[in-house]
Amino acid sequence: AAGVIQSPRHLIKEKRETATLKCYPIPRHDTVYWYQQGPGQDPQFLISFYEKMQSDKGSIPDRFSAQQFSDYHSELNMSSLELGDSALYFCASSHVVAGELFFGEGSRLTVL
Amino acid sequence: DAKTTQPPSMDCAEGRAANLPCNHSTISGNEYVYWYRQIHSQGPQYIIHGLKNNETNEMASLIITEDRKSSTLILPHATLRDTAVYYCIVRAPWDGTASKLTFGTGTRLQVTL
Repeated sequence: AAGVIQSPRHLIKEKRETATLKCYPIPRHDTVYWYQQGPGQDPQFLISFYEKMQSDKGSIPDRFSAQQFSDYHSELNMSSLELGDSALYFCASSHVVAGELFFGEGSRLTVL
Repeated sequence: DAKTTQPPSMDCAEGRAANLPCNHSTISGNEYVYWYRQIHSQGPQYIIHGLKNNETNEMASLIITEDRKSSTLILPHATLRDTAVYYCIVRAPWDGTASKLTFGTGTRLQVTL
């Protein structure tokens, strides 16, 4: 079965640079969630989208922005990168009525 | 969302049942109990969820107490591949918008030979 696809899987950036992560949800899923997981930490909710509209917002820095496009894929844009942004970034998708979130394998961002 | 409390770690011998407890004493009547697990640095994996009845699927069983203040995830025959962090999450029902999962600290289950 098709899963959530995230790209790139690994990304290395310098401080103050910009990074963009992409997420392709499971077909027919209309909801996308972004999570950040720092080293030794639990996943922290950043933001979610339902039917291309922002649905909920968590502890997402103002330097980060995200959107969901007409084909339901989503992108997380991160600017003015800081060392503390180094983390695994997970995207999850769900069909809202069914509810379960299915996670991708994550994108590992390293900021040097 | 209601807060959950789980033991930080547990051990289980391979082939034995792993019983992972979770306390959620402030759960609301319409909130579900979800279980996810995360194998080292992989994306969290859905296991099972329930409202008030016990549930079983091919991966696990979920036992929810009658007062819904606690639950137990049961892996009937643990294998080494079940070594992971297990998260018990209380989640609000869908209300027309996306309903996020809020991860707590989870239980690190170590399955040993």
